[in-house]
Amino acid sequence: ETGVTQSPTHLIKTRGQQVTLRCSSQSGHNTVSWYQQALGQGPQFIFQYYREEENGRGNFPPRFSGLQFPNYSSELNVNALELDDSALYLCASSLKVGAANYGYTFGSGTRLTVV
Amino acid sequence: GQQLNQSPQSMFIQEGEDVSMNCTSSSIFNTWLWYKQEPGEGPVLLIALYKAGELTSNGRLTAQFGITRKDSFLNISASIPSDVGIYFCAGRGAQKLVFGQGTRLTINP
Repeated sequence: ETGVTQSPTHLIKTRGQQVTLRCSSQSGHNTVSWYQQALGQGPQFIFQYYREEENGRGNFPPRFSGLQFPNYSSELNVNALELDDSALYLCASSLKVGAANYGYTFGSGTRLTVV
Repeated sequence: GQQLNQSPQSMFIQEGEDVSMNCTSSSIFNTWLWYKQEPGEGPVLLIALYKAGELTSNGRLTAQFGITRKDSFLNISASIPSDVGIYFCAGRGAQKLVFGQGTRLTINP
């Protein structure tokens, strides 16, 4: 059973640029969620993808967008990067059964630095 | 964004001591989770609680789901050096996990 893998592990971007982060979900899971973790804080929910559609969104602007592919992998895209976007971006896969999600498993994250 | 209130924010203890941390929420959650995060890694699940009043153990770790469904605590007994890390509580909502700010545990050998 493979776990959740994220790429790249580290990334440095310039303010105003765009970035794409990638996530492969754990085998048997059908849902992917993305979280932003600022230094010294707990992870904050960005959005969740299920059946290739957004299925819930946190308090993040539209320049944060995502995709889910038929193999359940996912991308997080952030446009017009701001300095405050510097954070650890975590992907978590889970199994959605009915209204509930089970077995949240996190990847090791992508550390994004915006300069 | 929404966060749970977790305390203490940091703990400095001697090896062998017991540790206790707790988490409160203004909202009800039907599932509480406790995670540990080490440097350069994502959170790893330690204990999941599914029923109000439930007390669950995982080795030296014990966690309880508060009867009001608005709080939880985690105890670690006889701490060892590998317990160092940041511990997060999380309430499970319909589509998301809501996390606390974390408790950073440092152990002096």
